[in-house]
Amino acid sequence: TQLLEQSPQFLSIQEGENLTVYCNSSSVFSSLQWYRQEPGEGPVLLVTVVTGGEVKKLKRLTFQFGDARKDSSLHITAAQPGDTGLYLCAGETSGSRLTFGEGTQLTVNP
Amino acid sequence: DAGITQSPRHKVTETGTPVTLRCHQTENHRYMYWYRQDPGHGLRLIHYSYGVKDTDKGEVSDGYSVSRSKTEDFLLTLESATSSQTSVYFCAISPDRAPNEKLFFGSGTQLSVL
Repeated sequence: TQLLEQSPQFLSIQEGENLTVYCNSSSVFSSLQWYRQEPGEGPVLLVTVVTGGEVKKLKRLTFQFGDARKDSSLHITAAQPGDTGLYLCAGETSGSRLTFGEGTQLTVNP
Repeated sequence: DAGITQSPRHKVTETGTPVTLRCHQTENHRYMYWYRQDPGHGLRLIHYSYGVKDTDKGEVSDGYSVSRSKTEDFLLTLESATSSQTSVYFCAISPDRAPNEKLFFGSGTQLSVL
């Protein structure tokens, strides 16, 4: 049973479009991280959110942690081909190790 | 980029043979991890280490063993490889443990067990 459910599993859009991907769970997390992974490489940490309702921005990427700390979203504005990759969320419950979702595979077409 | 080197990058082996994957770091981080990544399962923790000679099991440790004799090196051994262990293996390091875990990953090893 996946502790973290990511949706959609696949997303293909045109350059310039906006998109949102989701990470949901029935568990409460002490923190939640987002990673991006490109083909043939390991995941790279983008952001960590720790407070319910927290919003963090990284250029055109906006990350939000749900008020109840059970879910998170990643919004990309004006997507570019360089945003293509597998986006993974990973949650940490109190005293335990990180658990990863399966990821959203994003393709941004020129 | 974090100084993490995994070797080999690709390996093909036969069922029943032993296989060792190596992870080398130059960051002097205390915590090191081995994950496997499979379609439909995402990243799953195999084993981790919280110091020299200090290791513990993750969620999918059966069939795997690890050793850490030096801070910079973390080895993953498949004692007798099986086809179900065909996967991409990632090493990761972190300067802190939970709740401040921040993972830096290597580039992965693609292992095929025939």
